[in-house]
Amino acid sequence: EDQVTQSPEALRLQEGESSSLNCSYTVSGLRGLFWYRQDPGKGPEFLFTLYSAGEEKEKERLKATLTKKESFLHITAPKPEDSATYLCAVLYNFNKFYFGSGTKLNVKP
Amino acid sequence: ETGVTQSPTHLIKTRGQQVTLRCSSQSGHNTVSWYQQALGQGPQFIFQYYREEENGRGNFPPRFSGLQFPNYSSELNVNALELDDSALYLCASSSQVSTDTQYFGPGTRLTVL
Repeated sequence: EDQVTQSPEALRLQEGESSSLNCSYTVSGLRGLFWYRQDPGKGPEFLFTLYSAGEEKEKERLKATLTKKESFLHITAPKPEDSATYLCAVLYNFNKFYFGSGTKLNVKP
Repeated sequence: ETGVTQSPTHLIKTRGQQVTLRCSSQSGHNTVSWYQQALGQGPQFIFQYYREEENGRGNFPPRFSGLQFPNYSSELNVNALELDDSALYLCASSSQVSTDTQYFGPGTRLTVL
């Protein structure tokens, strides 16, 4: 049973075309939800941590939001350099860290 | 501030062999976690070490073992390598104050032939 599901699996955008990535979770005792960016062959790069429903975090063209069942990563006016795989992960039961399979984003100029 | 480092970058082994991967934590961090990432998948939690003791484990067999040293660096050992062990192995560290946000190293690419 998947505990973290990300959608879509892949997303193609034109430069400047805003969109959202989804991360839904079914764990109990959520302690935090995390977004990471991963470039091919490299380790995940930390973006945001969200702890409670209603919380929002922003960084440049990215904005992450959290509800009781899901999180969204909104990308406003993306650029080609935003192309990467975006991973979400949940921390629950004190120290269990569970990742989704990621959304592969491709932004074309 | 020094980030998380891992060695080696790449490694090729044959089935049945043993391998040791190494990780140096980010400065000030005393918690280390190891992950296995297969191609096209998200990282899977192997185990976590805190103050040199195993502090949680994912669904990996005992042939995956680890160590954490007094300087908070860590090793991942895998015995009796199988073809399915081919993956990117990631190390992540977090601070004593908060064990939540984990910062990842660049990974070690292991290929088992």
